[in-house]
Amino acid sequence: AQSVAQPEDQVNVAEGNPLTVKCTYSVSGNPYLFWYVQYPNRGLQFLLKYITGDNLVKGSYGFEAEFNKSQTSFHLKKPSALVSDSALYFCAVIWAGNMLTFGGGTRLMVKP
Amino acid sequence: EADIYQTPRYLVIGTGKKITLECSQTMGHDKMYWYQQDPGMELHLIHYSYGVNSTEKGDLSSESTVSRIRTEHFPLTLESARPSHTSQYLCASENDRGSGELFFGEGSRLTVL
Repeated sequence: AQSVAQPEDQVNVAEGNPLTVKCTYSVSGNPYLFWYVQYPNRGLQFLLKYITGDNLVKGSYGFEAEFNKSQTSFHLKKPSALVSDSALYFCAVIWAGNMLTFGGGTRLMVKP
Repeated sequence: EADIYQTPRYLVIGTGKKITLECSQTMGHDKMYWYQQDPGMELHLIHYSYGVNSTEKGDLSSESTVSRIRTEHFPLTLESARPSHTSQYLCASENDRGSGELFFGEGSRLTVL
């Protein structure tokens, strides 16, 4: 069973609108959750992570993510999208000493 | 900017050739990884290393091999390339075992004709 899922292959947003990229996980215990971003022709870059504490995590480039234990979700959000936010976004999880596992990725397209 | 470098960035070769993709990091990280990335985006872990002289196969079976003779260097080799090896290969290192914070190189895009 997939331990982390990104249900949307692509998300389209108009510039200036809020954006959400969804991620759900299916592991037991207390997972560590991550978001990475991949710009065209580049490697992945770490955006933010949740380990414990405040459910709202702030990261780079104005992004934030909310950990919701009851819904086993860790959605990535930004209040106002920029065209330059267009990229691939990967959710990832570590749990119980296992290795980092990536979701399938979501392509974010921000239209001017 | 992370100090992890991959060469070549782009490589087009013929079937049957031997190729080595280089990956070097100057951060002193013990753990390093190779991922294969589909055209459809998904990442597949093909090799990892916990340190010098440690190499392990990842989740996706690969005909490639790796070595880790020095901490900073983690090359990937294909003895006889085939068109099915055409892909993007991403190298990464981790700053602390289990931290989940990986630093990625910019990738090597391999095309086998």
